[in-house]
Amino acid sequence: SQQGEEDPQALSIQEGENATMNCSYKTSINNLQWYRQNSGRGLVHLILIRSNEREKHSGRLRVTLDTSKKSSSLLITASRAADTASYFCARVLFSGSARQLTFGSGTQLTVLP
Amino acid sequence: SQTIHQWPATLVQPVGSPLSLECTVEGTSNPNLYWYRQAAGRGLQLLFYSVGIGQISSEVPQNLSASRPQDRQFILSSKKLLLSDSGFYLCAWSVLAGVGEQFFGPGTRLTVL
Repeated sequence: SQQGEEDPQALSIQEGENATMNCSYKTSINNLQWYRQNSGRGLVHLILIRSNEREKHSGRLRVTLDTSKKSSSLLITASRAADTASYFCARVLFSGSARQLTFGSGTQLTVLP
Repeated sequence: SQTIHQWPATLVQPVGSPLSLECTVEGTSNPNLYWYRQAAGRGLQLLFYSVGIGQISSEVPQNLSASRPQDRQFILSSKKLLLSDSGFYLCAWSVLAGVGEQFFGPGTRLTVL
């Protein structure tokens, strides 16, 4: 079963506004990652935050992690029409040399020009 | 640089027919390899992962199977397709024993009629 769930399921904003997506999970993690998927394409890794980190930035992306609440948020600032895509969080658990990712159901972001 | 290939890009198959989807990775050695399935508008479901040649772990019982005949080749198969096998199949790789960042192929859209 999927143990990472994003909300909202869909988000529609105007270009230039900020977009915030949330992710909750149920079990422990080694790290948490966010991915982006354009329609009909593969996923692209955006950012990784380790379990001992609370906040991380990459360009217009800001990710927070609260392990006590088992939640993470992804903020995209000054959104652009090209940011329109589905965004997924993935809980990462190390199991020997394997790296198991459990994906949430995603947030569909639409940025209107 | 590393690249990941999947083929075919799209496939339409009748119920009961066999299936073979292929994934190859270039530019890296000893990767972890993964097969996911994505239903329309949903998140990713991990089907199989492999940490080495001939080593396959199955996450979901079903009529699919996977094989890893070479270090950078991962094959998803079925002897008899079901209607419920329709979906978007994604192959991914990650560095063995790395932080778990995954790199995805372009996907195969499978429609079973």
